Amino acid sequence: EDQVTQSPEALRLQEGESSSLNCSYTVSGLRGLFWYRQDPGKGPEFLFTLYSAGEEKEKERLKATLTKKESFLHITAPKPEDSATYLCAVPYSGNTPLVFGKGTRLSVIA
Amino acid sequence: DADVTQTPRNRITKTGKRIMLECSQTKGHDRMYWYRQDPGLGLRLIYYSFDVKDINKGEISDGYSVSRQAQAKFSLSLESAIPNQTALYFCATSDVTVNQPQHFGDGTRLSIL
Repeated sequence: EDQVTQSPEALRLQEGESSSLNCSYTVSGLRGLFWYRQDPGKGPEFLFTLYSAGEEKEKERLKATLTKKESFLHITAPKPEDSATYLCAVPYSGNTPLVFGKGTRLSVIA
Repeated sequence: DADVTQTPRNRITKTGKRIMLECSQTKGHDRMYWYRQDPGLGLRLIYYSFDVKDINKGEISDGYSVSRQAQAKFSLSLESAIPNQTALYFCATSDVTVNQPQHFGDGTRLSIL
């Protein structure tokens, strides 16, 4: 069973059309949930860490939120430069490396 | 200069060849990781090292080996490459403090014919 599941797999938005990406996780005792952005031909770029339910982080048009079972990445009034694959990840347990979801591929059309 | 540097960036080779991918970092992090990324499968952990004397297998270590030459250097080897090892390989680092984000290099695109 996957520890981290992201949906949708792909999302196509018009410029300015707000939406949300979902990341659900099954690990117990969450010790951080991480969001990354990945552009084609590049390594994942760190965006946010969330540690506890109710926590929110913002960066430009992106806002990440966390509940006990899932996290959302809200994209407000997106622009074409927001097009990328967005990955979420959690430590499997304790002090372990991150387990990544398969990502959501976002395309924003002008 | 990039904080996490991977070499080579691209490599095409033949089945059966020995290949080494190298990773060096200037972030001063103790922890280093190797992942591979395949379409539809996401990022999967191959090996990781929490310090120079520590090496651990990840989810998919079969067919791979690693060497941690120094705090700043972590190499991944394919002793006898096979076509299903064709993938994008990423090195990452993180601070020793528990549950800090991992920082990635820009990857090596490896094709095995």
